[in-house]
This record gives sequence, structure tokens and C-alpha cells, in this order.
Amino acid sequence: AQSVSQHNHHVILSEAASLELGCNYSYGGTVNLFWYVQYPGQHLQLLLKYFSGDPLVKGIKGFEAEFIKSKFSFNLRKPSVQWSDTAEYFCAVTPGLTGGGNKLTFGTGTQLKVEL
Amino acid sequence: DTGVSQDPRHKITKRGQNVTFRCDPISEHNRLYWYRQTLGQGPEFLTYFQNEAQLEKSRLLSDRFSAERPKGSFSTLEIQRTEQGDSAMYLCASSRTETQYFGPGTRLLVL
Repeated sequence: AQSVSQHNHHVILSEAASLELGCNYSYGGTVNLFWYVQYPGQHLQLLLKYFSGDPLVKGIKGFEAEFIKSKFSFNLRKPSVQWSDTAEYFCAVTPGLTGGGNKLTFGTGTQLKVEL
Repeated sequence: DTGVSQDPRHKITKRGQNVTFRCDPISEHNRLYWYRQTLGQGPEFLTYFQNEAQLEKSRLLSDRFSAERPKGSFSTLEIQRTEQGDSAMYLCASSRTETQYFGPGTRLLVL
């Protein structure tokens, strides 16, 4: 069974600081990788996803993530955060190459607070 | 797309009562998923439907839990004889391919 580890549970940054949130997964085969974000009072939204190809993927709102297969990692980055990025961020994984219909396995989430 | 909708958004019940939640997926999404999220944790998979067929159930889904998707459109999740440990956010997601889209959730509080 797959598992996901997010090492940073709470992160506090000042506006314009750079962000990197760690995500490591455990699974022996091909994977699909996701980052979801939950803004205060809102539902989970897809931030970005990786299925195959270029390991550097770009998502909405200036976020990007890099898949490093040798490290089983899919870290989320943003060069300059804004106050509106305050939210909880979840990394998730499903087995790949199956055409869908797979459960997501989530990490425990990282609560990001951006201060003005 | 109008998005995944869930009803009710909040439910308070007494221990031992039955509750039922409804999920309406994005139209034309043939796959529907239920997850449960407790404080400080990521969502945990409960069950999955492809059209009307329930294809996978988690060990988390005890006998008190039952889910249906009778016509391959909306789904219901019923919890019988609720316990305080059932208090959580119940999330529904739908997909047509590998990407799942989530609804706002139903927050259940069992007193």
C-alpha cells in the first residue's frame, strides 16, 4: 500500500518569502502525484498534478512541483508567497497507468500561514 | 461544470442515531469517491463507485456504514447507530479520468 509523508506540519512565512513544502511517498510502482490546497472555509482544490513527462510541473497561482523519482519526492515550491496563499496544503498519490479509478492517499497536510 | 455538491453541509446528531449524507458529482463524471477527514489529518479513503457499481471499500468502512449510487448519478452515505468517533468531515469527490474533484464536505458532530 502507498503512503505519503509531509514533514512540515506548520509553516509561517512573511510575504515575498520563498516556499518549499516537502512530500515523500512510498510506493513500488508508477505513481500519479497531486497537490491539493484548502483555503480557509473552502473545499479542497487541485493545485497541480504529475502523471508523466517533464518532472517539473506548474500549477495555478505560481506554484510548481518537482518529481524526483530517485528520492520518491514531489516537493511544492513558490518563489514568492502572498498573504492569500495562507491555506492547508495536501500532497496525495495514486497508482499510475491505470486510467483512473484509484483512491487518493493523502499526507497529513501542511498548514501555511503567510504574514504581512 | 457546476462542481461537486454535498448535502447537508453540517449535521449534529446524538449517539445512536442514523444519518445520511448526499453527494451530487460533476455531471458526466462516472467515478465517485467518499473520504473522511478528521482534525489534523488528510482525507482517508472510504469507498469508490464506478457508475452504480461499488468497486472498493476501505477497512475503515465498518458494517455501520453503507453507501449507494443507485442510478450512477448521486450517491448517499449512511451511518447507522452513530458513535462519537464518527465525528469528522465527510468528503465526496468525482472524476472522469485520474483527477478527482472534491465537494465542500459534510461536517458531522456526534454528541
